Amino acid sequence: GQSLEQPSEVTAVEGAIVQINCTYQTSGFYGLSWYQQHDGGAPTFLSYNALDGLEETGRFSSFLSRSDSYGYLLLQELQMKDSASYFCAVRNTGGFKTIFGAGTRLFVKA
Amino acid sequence: SQTIHQWPATLVQPVGSPLSLECTVEGTSNPNLYWYRQAAGRGLQLLFYSVGIGQISSEVPQNLSASRPQDRQFILSSKKLLLSDSGFYLCAWSVRGGNNEQFFGPGTRLTVL
Repeated sequence: GQSLEQPSEVTAVEGAIVQINCTYQTSGFYGLSWYQQHDGGAPTFLSYNALDGLEETGRFSSFLSRSDSYGYLLLQELQMKDSASYFCAVRNTGGFKTIFGAGTRLFVKA
Repeated sequence: SQTIHQWPATLVQPVGSPLSLECTVEGTSNPNLYWYRQAAGRGLQLLFYSVGIGQISSEVPQNLSASRPQDRQFILSSKKLLLSDSGFYLCAWSVRGGNNEQFFGPGTRLTVL
């Protein structure tokens, strides 16, 4: 089977740092992506890790450990507008399919 | 620049009625195309993907079908809707040979009554 596990909810205060973890078990693996989705909107791409290590894009960073089947999304200097759902997703063998986790709802409080 | 269109934005249909959702992509050629469904507060379930005209892969058994009559057109259909078909339907595309970054359309919110 294929599964991605991530926490259902995370709450943090404005200006803080939050880490959203994702563990995966899939029949094949090309890379791990992260998407952000605001209520009522469509998901938007944040980052992609194909190799182990940390990728940084502004306030957002994403980490991957292929040997541990684990990754995380790190959000720094949290802002109210970061309140949204965050999905990890695995690009599967063959490269055409992307399997999404159930999502982590992030609440940023003032 | 590339854009993806989906319509309608919202749809209310009775059980047993047919369905046709359309998605078109502009500004790119030979995209991979995807249909996802999202239940309220849940993740995205991959329904179909297509790597070329007439090539459709189905991910889950269901009463839905998909077609790709043109390179940048992807259609989701049903002959008879079920209550369980309610949800947020998202079309997406990715670059052939890229990292599979998905670009999503605005979605169609379907309610089956």
